[in-house]
Amino acid sequence: QQQVKQSPQSLIVQKGGISIINCAYENTAFDYFPWYQQFPGKGPALLIAIRPDVSEKKEGRFTISFNKSAKQFSLHIMDSQPGDSATYFCAASIGNFGNEKLTFGTGTRLTIIP
Amino acid sequence: SAVISQKPSRDICQRGTSLTIQCQVDSQVTMMFWYRQQPGQSLTLIATANQGSEATYESGFVIDKFPISRPNLTFSTLTVSNMSPEDSSIYLCSVLTSGNTGELFFGEGSRLTVL
Repeated sequence: QQQVKQSPQSLIVQKGGISIINCAYENTAFDYFPWYQQFPGKGPALLIAIRPDVSEKKEGRFTISFNKSAKQFSLHIMDSQPGDSATYFCAASIGNFGNEKLTFGTGTRLTIIP
Repeated sequence: SAVISQKPSRDICQRGTSLTIQCQVDSQVTMMFWYRQQPGQSLTLIATANQGSEATYESGFVIDKFPISRPNLTFSTLTVSNMSPEDSSIYLCSVLTSGNTGELFFGEGSRLTVL
């Protein structure tokens, strides 16, 4: 069964702190792992993505850590800001140019407090 | 990148009626998808909209309930038929861009409330 399990469901972090959201998957055929950010009333927007040939990818304050053997990946937001308050979804798919059907995690509502 | 326009952005519908959602993209795209996001929930793929042929539906979704059209490479419609309160959701159009990144873009969604 193609599932992506995401935790925590909600997260409150102080401004300037590190926000960490975790995802685990079952299907070892997954080879594309994006994170989406969704603000209220908006569609999800791609934040950062990783393929399993690397263990980490960093873009600005956002980092994906990937552990292939454990079938887990996580999003780290450094120096979290109130503008980062949103719902974050991890996802996985098989082949970015083949089967583009993303399987989404259940989402994490992140709140950054001053 | 791709700019996706969805109409309507929201609607309140009566049980038993049908509503058609339109998705317009500002450029030609190969792949278009329709997702459902129930309140406070994750996104679930309904179907892949195929240009010039019948849509490909995911398990649990059928053409009679969610007919989809895609007459060209920039436009698609999703109809939610014979609606019930359980169909109250956000329906999202998404497109896959070509090129090296192949990023999946989403529209802002159509929020349907069925009374």
